[in-house]
Amino acid sequence: DADVTQTPRNRITKTGKRIMLECSQTKGHDRMYWYRQDPGLGLRLIYYSFDVKDINKGEISDGYSVSRQAQAKFSLSLESAIPNQTALYFCATSDSWGETQYFGPGTRLLVL
Amino acid sequence: GESVGLHLPTLSVQEGDNSIINCAYSNSASDYFIWYKQESGKGPQFIIDIRSNMDKRQGQRVTVLLNKTVKHLSLQIAATQPGDSAVYFCAENSGYQKVTFGTGTKLQVIP
Repeated sequence: DADVTQTPRNRITKTGKRIMLECSQTKGHDRMYWYRQDPGLGLRLIYYSFDVKDINKGEISDGYSVSRQAQAKFSLSLESAIPNQTALYFCATSDSWGETQYFGPGTRLLVL
Repeated sequence: GESVGLHLPTLSVQEGDNSIINCAYSNSASDYFIWYKQESGKGPQFIIDIRSNMDKRQGQRVTVLLNKTVKHLSLQIAATQPGDSAVYFCAENSGYQKVTFGTGTKLQVIP
């Protein structure tokens, strides 16, 4: 969905490195989310934000941090990457909790 | 714990036939369900949704059926086309801060 963009689209990094994944949206939504997707598993929520001043942990927040720089921007950081953080990461937005979410194209991350 | 799952991991259908993708959910408190389509290399895209006060909802070539008695959700795609090839998964909203996604079914359309 062109309304939600993610950078980079692909990233290879080494164990212990700090990396940041960025997400921008033009849908004007207040709510933003970060998910990871692994083979054989459903999307799992890492962090979510209801507005610029609101940040909440999801079910798998350990090892991750986020920053909501503006209504349109929500970044995900891995402070010290480890191999089991290798996954496909998606950013999403919505008008309200639990309602239809609009996803970005994803970032494929490989941690060596 | 509560979970959303799919019966068939892979479904192959002939072009022009109808496709049915199933989803079982276990949380009777879920009140809103969404089907997403995920094409290779792309993020999930909304297809159709349904609320728990409905049994059926139709879109363009797609129909979602909800059977609350057996906690079952299905997505029907009419006249399946090659462009329908993708992974489909359901999501359920069981309340505040609780949205659960299924693992997905891969639909392969045979020309």
